[in-house]
Amino acid sequence: ETGVTQTPRHLVMGMTNKKSLKCEQHLGHNAMYWYKQSAKKPLELMFVYNFKEQTENNSVPSRFSPECPNSSHLFLHLHTLQPEDSALYLCASSPRKRTDTGELFFGEGSRLTVL
Amino acid sequence: AQTVTQSQPEMSVQEAETVTLSCTYDTSESDYYLFWYKQPPSRQMILVIRQEAYKQQNATENRFSVNFQKAAKSFSLKISDSQLGDAAMYFCAYSFRGGATNKLIFGTGTLLAVQP
Repeated sequence: ETGVTQTPRHLVMGMTNKKSLKCEQHLGHNAMYWYKQSAKKPLELMFVYNFKEQTENNSVPSRFSPECPNSSHLFLHLHTLQPEDSALYLCASSPRKRTDTGELFFGEGSRLTVL
Repeated sequence: AQTVTQSQPEMSVQEAETVTLSCTYDTSESDYYLFWYKQPPSRQMILVIRQEAYKQQNATENRFSVNFQKAAKSFSLKISDSQLGDAAMYFCAYSFRGGATNKLIFGTGTLLAVQP
């Protein structure tokens, strides 16, 4: 079992659907992140949560709605998406700064296809 | 704004040989981390090696080593004795050390093929 678990691994949805991606970390970390990975582009940071509070929203369209109910769980709610939103969505976590080594710990990703 | 550039979209190496992946970055900060991450076809990003900017000594992890040139803002990864399992996408990444969280900035990646 990995320290950061993402479900579902694959998701196909229509443009009018509503779905959610889930991320759970078992590492005792306090910060959680959503990244979007598209082919031939750098990973794009979407959202950052630190101790359940959103600290970064990188100009993400409102059709992506994050939720962080506690430091272990992170959701990405999806609605009325566009085909260009098809990508691999990666969740990551990191520990509190005083124990930090600077890295992120990633899940395996959720492959999203929007038809 | 900080940027990370990987100019080699694809590289190939023979098994047991050595390969070097290039990365340059731009930042006005003096205290930061640099990373190389590996993403195999199974997709999970795995940390390969980390370098703290204040350390002059180049980081090494077994067969993996870096050449960190701070003044030139260059951070290359050398893989020695390449193995079939090294085949993956490799990402160079930067993180400002003084932030409250670890917002990594990534390059576009280099796809490494290992030929038997």
